[in-house]
Amino acid sequence: KNEVEQSPQNLTAQEGEFITINCSYSVGISALHWLQQHPGGGIVSLFMLSSGKKKHGRLIATINIQEKHSSLHITASHPRDSAVYICAPYFGNEKLTFGTGTRLTIIP
Amino acid sequence: DSGVTQTPKHLITATGQRVTLRCSPRSGDLSVYWYQQSLDQGLQFLIQYYNGEERAKGNILERFSAQQFPDLHSELNLSSLELGDSALYFCASAKDQGGNEYTDTQYFGPGTRLTVL
Repeated sequence: KNEVEQSPQNLTAQEGEFITINCSYSVGISALHWLQQHPGGGIVSLFMLSSGKKKHGRLIATINIQEKHSSLHITASHPRDSAVYICAPYFGNEKLTFGTGTRLTIIP
Repeated sequence: DSGVTQTPKHLITATGQRVTLRCSPRSGDLSVYWYQQSLDQGLQFLIQYYNGEERAKGNILERFSAQQFPDLHSELNLSSLELGDSALYFCASAKDQGGNEYTDTQYFGPGTRLTVL
């Protein structure tokens, strides 16, 4: 069974803190997506990665294929980063599987 | 703005009814994906179309069906609606050229919030 675990489920931090959200999955994958869901419900695709590391602004995503683990980092966090972050590995069975999400709250 | 449009934004209907949700992908994107997000199940993949053909099926009920038209817009039809069908329904599009699904960035529409009373 293809399983995805995200941690933490909820995270509250002060503005400016470095944030790490983790995603572990059970079997080998072809690719992994990180999504951001805003409080209003809209979903934005942040990264798609199959190896290594990607950076976009203050966001960094890494993946370790051997360890079946990916992390999403946010540097210099800001209240507008408050959202639910969802990892979605592609296990190669023609469908994305979604994690339960990490609810991030950044306090000014 | 992702470039993906979904209509309607909100839909309220009664049990037993049938509704149609519409999605227009970004210009040039060949794939359309449909997802359901409910409070108890989270995000779930329903179905994917690529250039008019069904490509992959996920947890889609038999009461639900979809199609992608020649202009690449897609419709998701939900029939015999039940209370448990109340959810946010998202579509996403991607280029997926060469058939490499899920290795291209997906662009999500704003979603249709369906409420079944």
